[in-house]
Amino acid sequence: AQSVTQLGSHVSVSEGALVLLRCNYSSSVPPYLFWYVQYPNQGLQLLLKYTTGATLVKGINGFEAEFKKSETSFHLTKPSAHMSDAAEYFCAVTSGGDDKIIFGKGTRLHILP
Amino acid sequence: DGGITQSPKYLFRKEGQNVTLSCEQNLNHDAMYWYRQDPGQGLRLIYYSQIVNDFQKGDIAEGYSVSREKKESFPLTVTSAQKNPTAFYLCASTWGRNTGELFFGEGSRLTVL
Repeated sequence: AQSVTQLGSHVSVSEGALVLLRCNYSSSVPPYLFWYVQYPNQGLQLLLKYTTGATLVKGINGFEAEFKKSETSFHLTKPSAHMSDAAEYFCAVTSGGDDKIIFGKGTRLHILP
Repeated sequence: DGGITQSPKYLFRKEGQNVTLSCEQNLNHDAMYWYRQDPGQGLRLIYYSQIVNDFQKGDIAEGYSVSREKKESFPLTVTSAQKNPTAFYLCASTWGRNTGELFFGEGSRLTVL
């Protein structure tokens, strides 16, 4: 069975500082990995995804994530936080096909002025 | 514009009443999903459908029912058997073959009075 663990339900960073949101997964087959973002009272929006190929993937709004198989991690980073980045972020995993998509419990990112 | 439309955005219900949440998509997606979101618990799968006239239970299907009579529509009924229905409900869709990339509606917030 697959699972996703997001470390830290709340993360606070200062505007202009590095953003690092942690995601670890477990999967017995090669995973597809995703980060989604949710703004208050809205649905989720895909930020970036890893399926195959290059392990460093770039997404929208300056975010990127690196797939590290040896560490079973897919951490999300952004070099310089902006106030508009305040939102909840969800990591997700699936192996595709008939497999379900498993979401982590989410990390709420707070940006301090 | 292509997308997923959920309605109503806010809904209040008295205990013992059934309520139906609408989800319509014009993305020509085969698969549709209903998730429930509670604070700190991430997204939990209620029901999903990969083709018309077919659907499967997710992890928390008890007290809910769905239908898939048209490709574009996947309504969710929250029945009186659901013991704790107050939550944020999200509908999503994707292509027939699951790639993990979901497209979400803006959600429906149900409050039981």
